[in-house]
Amino acid sequence: EVQLQQSGPELEKPGASVKISCKASGYSFTGYNMNWVKQSNGKSLEWIGNIDPYYGGTSYNQKFKGKATLTVDKSSSTAYMQLKSLTSEDSAVYYCARWSHYYGVDYWGQGTTLTVSS
Amino acid sequence: DVQMIQSPSSLSASLGDIVTMTCQASQGTSINLNWFQQKPGKAPKLLIYGASNLEDGVPSRFSGSRYGTDFTLTISSLEDEDMATYFCLQHSYLPWTFGGGTKLEIK
Repeated sequence: EVQLQQSGPELEKPGASVKISCKASGYSFTGYNMNWVKQSNGKSLEWIGNIDPYYGGTSYNQKFKGKATLTVDKSSSTAYMQLKSLTSEDSAVYYCARWSHYYGVDYWGQGTTLTVSS
Repeated sequence: DVQMIQSPSSLSASLGDIVTMTCQASQGTSINLNWFQQKPGKAPKLLIYGASNLEDGVPSRFSGSRYGTDFTLTISSLEDEDMATYFCLQHSYLPWTFGGGTKLEIK
């Protein structure tokens, strides 16, 4: 069974950085790109970017360049997203989501809530 | 960027009704599209891939279609468990973009 298990909720101060993890199981981690998605206000969804776990290559939404950095640890089948220089605008739920060439985005993590507040 | 213009933003319907919602792509001739269902506090769930293919385990009352750059999700006979928000996603052109969502309520 494919599962994407994300790290727990985060409370950070403005200006800080945070690293969210997404541990994959039930499939070949290096065989599928991993995507990250931001959901603000419980509704609007934005694609942040994706990473090819096999080669480490990344694609970013221009809006999140300089804000988000995507990495993977193949040895633990875990994807990471670091967000830096946090502001209140970064408060949201963040999802990792697997992409399959045939199905598109087919599996999602449970989401990680980030709250940025002083 | 390819904008996915989703309508309506909210919809109220009765049990047994036929429900349709659409996503219109602002550009692009070869868009690959997913439809998702999201319930409060939960992650989105894949319903449709390749614009018109039903994901395994999804009830057959859900269907997707494409006409040019217009994409439609149809629920043929609305059930109580279908109360949710529905999103489309185009994953052909970078950056990938989502529709704004359709919140479906049961009358």
